[in-house]
Amino acid sequence: AQTVTQSQPEMSVQEAETVTLSCTYDTSENNYYLFWYKQPPSRQMILVIRQEAYKQQNATENRFSVNFQKAAKSFSLKISDSQLGDTAMYFCARRFEGAQKLVFGQGTRLTINP
Amino acid sequence: DAGVTQSPTHLIKTRGQQVTLRCSPKSGHDTVSWYQQALGQGPQFIFQYYEEEERQRGNFPDRFSGHQFPNYSSELNVNALLLGDSALYLCASSLIGGLAGGRYEQYFGPGTRLTVT
Repeated sequence: AQTVTQSQPEMSVQEAETVTLSCTYDTSENNYYLFWYKQPPSRQMILVIRQEAYKQQNATENRFSVNFQKAAKSFSLKISDSQLGDTAMYFCARRFEGAQKLVFGQGTRLTINP
Repeated sequence: DAGVTQSPTHLIKTRGQQVTLRCSPKSGHDTVSWYQQALGQGPQFIFQYYEEEERQRGNFPDRFSGHQFPNYSSELNVNALLLGDSALYLCASSLIGGLAGGRYEQYFGPGTRLTVT
């Protein structure tokens, strides 16, 4: 099955700490895109960061960075200097080249404590 | 620049009824995808519309149907509602613009919360 798995249902850290969310996926395709989306209580799904599978360099967006291990099919998200506004559900997702369908993981509920 | 909008925000229906949900894509986008998100779960892909045709479909029964209008807005229709259809329905838009699969991101709307009693 072409699945995306997030093994951490919940995580909690103190403000300003660094936290890493894990994601693994299963695919036989070679060309695909990986994403991390954030869904706060407002429900709006917000794109945090994306990674193209053909790029070896890990993507970075300000305090957010990924560790993409293609051979291991692993795609973790690191949040540095965490802020209270980072509290949300985080979803890992995969999309194949040539398709619009996103396949999501089950999500990780992240709480940043003051 | 308006983002993706959805209406209504909340909806309560009875088993067996039919419902229509609406989505307006982000300005400049030509593709709309619909997702169902059950409570505590990740979104599940229902289908995608491009050039007023259904282009890709997830594992959902024929009770789920849709439409895309010339202005790129879209409707999701669900017939013969079941209790299990209670969920948050998310619409996402993107720009394909002729490129196979597109290289542009999907932007999500705030969703419609459907409750079936």
